[in-house]
Amino acid sequence: DAGVIQSPRHEVTEMGQEVTLRCKPISGHDYLFWYRQTMMRGLELLIYFNNNVPIDDSGMPEDRFSAKMPNASFSTLKIQPSEPRDSAVYFCASSQVRGPGNTIYFGEGSWLTVV
Amino acid sequence: DAKTTQPNSMESNEEEPVHLPCNHSTISGTDYIHWYRQLPSQGPEYVIHGLTSNVNNRMASLAIAEDRKSSTLILHRATLRDAAVYYCILRDFTSGTYKYIFGTGTRLKVLA
Repeated sequence: DAGVIQSPRHEVTEMGQEVTLRCKPISGHDYLFWYRQTMMRGLELLIYFNNNVPIDDSGMPEDRFSAKMPNASFSTLKIQPSEPRDSAVYFCASSQVRGPGNTIYFGEGSWLTVV
Repeated sequence: DAKTTQPNSMESNEEEPVHLPCNHSTISGTDYIHWYRQLPSQGPEYVIHGLTSNVNNRMASLAIAEDRKSSTLILHRATLRDAAVYYCILRDFTSGTYKYIFGTGTRLKVLA
């Protein structure tokens, strides 16, 4: 199994530019999560999807952030326009609801720097 | 989700056992206790989970207090590769919500 695949792994962009982060969840998983991690705030849940439908986006910081899941094998997190305070590691994760174990699998993260 | 409390950091010597505590005094009867760890420059990974009974797997053991208000993750022989941030999370499987909320975790330092 390839695991959760994220791209790009690293991105450096200028303030004001649009940033698109991509995620391919594990095949067969019906939940997809986007997290952001910074030193100050730790690991924050931004949004999660079930069967491609956004369920809870209460963690999305502001309107500059948007996430989509057009099909079961692809999701994007977009920041437009980007700001230096958006610099963080963004993780995508997926899960298959089968039981109490309900293990969540994380990708390796997209390291974003906005200058 | 009910909250968990963990020490910010712990140290251990290599090849010795490590006991990582987690307090969850507001745990409900349907909350499962999950542990994840995050190695440097990686995403979190699953370690172990349990409900009431102690659990063992190839990575670790989970000891759950009888009143379930606390639990302990046990690494039987710490190695340098176990240096990571360990997160204790409560998951209510019956709630219908599937959010995983991570706290600040415990940063484990393993000394050679």
